Amino acid sequence: EDKVVQSPLSLVVHEGDTVTLNCSYEVTNFRSLLWYKQEKKAPTFLFMLTSSGIEKKSGRLSSILDKKELFSILNITATQTGDSAVYLCAVDRGSQGNLIFGKGTKLSVKP
Amino acid sequence: DAGVTQSPTHLIKTRGQHVTLRCSPISGHKSVSWYQQVLGQGPQFIFQYYEKEERGRGNFPDRFSARQFPNYSSELNVNALLLGDSALYLCASSPWTDTEAFFGQGTRLTVV
Repeated sequence: EDKVVQSPLSLVVHEGDTVTLNCSYEVTNFRSLLWYKQEKKAPTFLFMLTSSGIEKKSGRLSSILDKKELFSILNITATQTGDSAVYLCAVDRGSQGNLIFGKGTKLSVKP
Repeated sequence: DAGVTQSPTHLIKTRGQHVTLRCSPISGHKSVSWYQQVLGQGPQFIFQYYEKEERGRGNFPDRFSARQFPNYSSELNVNALLLGDSALYLCASSPWTDTEAFFGQGTRLTVV
């Protein structure tokens, strides 16, 4: 059965800390891996990764994919209270036309 | 540009009733997907429509149905509501079926 597993499930850090969120997957037909940030309702898109070893960056956030070991990490440097959210990892299974999500990592950043 | 819009934002229904949720995709997006998110879990895939045809269906009972209209908006229908259907229902749109999906704010459905 296809699955996406995120760790840790929750994390509490202080402003300025650097965090690494993990996502591993087992899917039969991998097309891409996506990261989303969910603060209240709508998950907002962060990154889409399709190739191994190519880091994607957006400000203090970065992500990389390892298709051999079947995992991805999301790094957030110099965390701010506004980074507090649930971070969701999802895998696009291609022709099946849908995303399979992990349970998410709840990040709390304390002042 | 307007994002993905969903209506209503909140809804309270009684067990056994029927509900219709609506979604308008981003202009130019032809693919719409529906997800159910219960508290503490990631979203779970229900349906995907592309160019008005069903492209995928998740592991949900036949009480769940959906359709996509010529203007690419979509409806999700749930019949014979159960308490366990209480969840946040998310709609996502994308230009095609193989690009990143953008989510709406969701409809919070409570079944009592």
